[in-house]
Amino acid sequence: GDSVTQMEGPVTLSEEAFLTINCTYTATGYPSLFWYVQYPGEGLQLLLKATKADDKGSNKGFEATYRKETTSFHLEKGSVQVSDSAVYFCALSESNTGTASKLTFGTGTRLQVTL
Amino acid sequence: DGGITQSPKYLFRKEGQNVTLSCEQNLNHDAMYWYRQDPGQGLRLIYYSQIVNDFQKGDIAEGYSVSREKKESFPLTVTSAQKNPTAFYLCASIKDPGRASWDGNTIYFGEGSWLTVV
Repeated sequence: GDSVTQMEGPVTLSEEAFLTINCTYTATGYPSLFWYVQYPGEGLQLLLKATKADDKGSNKGFEATYRKETTSFHLEKGSVQVSDSAVYFCALSESNTGTASKLTFGTGTRLQVTL
Repeated sequence: DGGITQSPKYLFRKEGQNVTLSCEQNLNHDAMYWYRQDPGQGLRLIYYSQIVNDFQKGDIAEGYSVSREKKESFPLTVTSAQKNPTAFYLCASIKDPGRASWDGNTIYFGEGSWLTVV
């Protein structure tokens, strides 16, 4: 079955540092890939997505590129802020199903940014 | 503003008791879902419902029950049969689960409910 593997956290960075959170996946078909973010006390929010190979998703300074050859979708940000402190989830869905029941999540990576 | 409301946010249960977690949405979404989140694990699907009066088991349905009598509501009951109920529970909804192309933008999540067995 489909699976998502994320780097373990917590990740602790100083403000303005460069961020990379690794995510790799296994899937039988051609999945869409997502990054969700969960701020303290809130539900999950979609951060960015990519629906086919070589697509780059971007939002709020975060970027991730869909790499089919390495089955990866690593999240990056050039300069993190304290407000970026949250838990980040990598997820995939089987294409053309349109149902959340097929959304497979990684374990989540907690990011803590300090001044 | 439209959204998903889960309650209670924190709940303590004695062993052997059933508890019900509420999930209400005013987004006019068709499908609703319950996920369980445990430390060090991803979200795992418990139950989902694509239309009123119909629901399906997810990956870890044992020890849980749901109902979908109204489009807006999808309560989850954690029964005494659930061996390890202490977890964070997330409810989600999506407008049209039958769309041909997936769009993660259409998934909305609630803020979650923490259940602790004491």
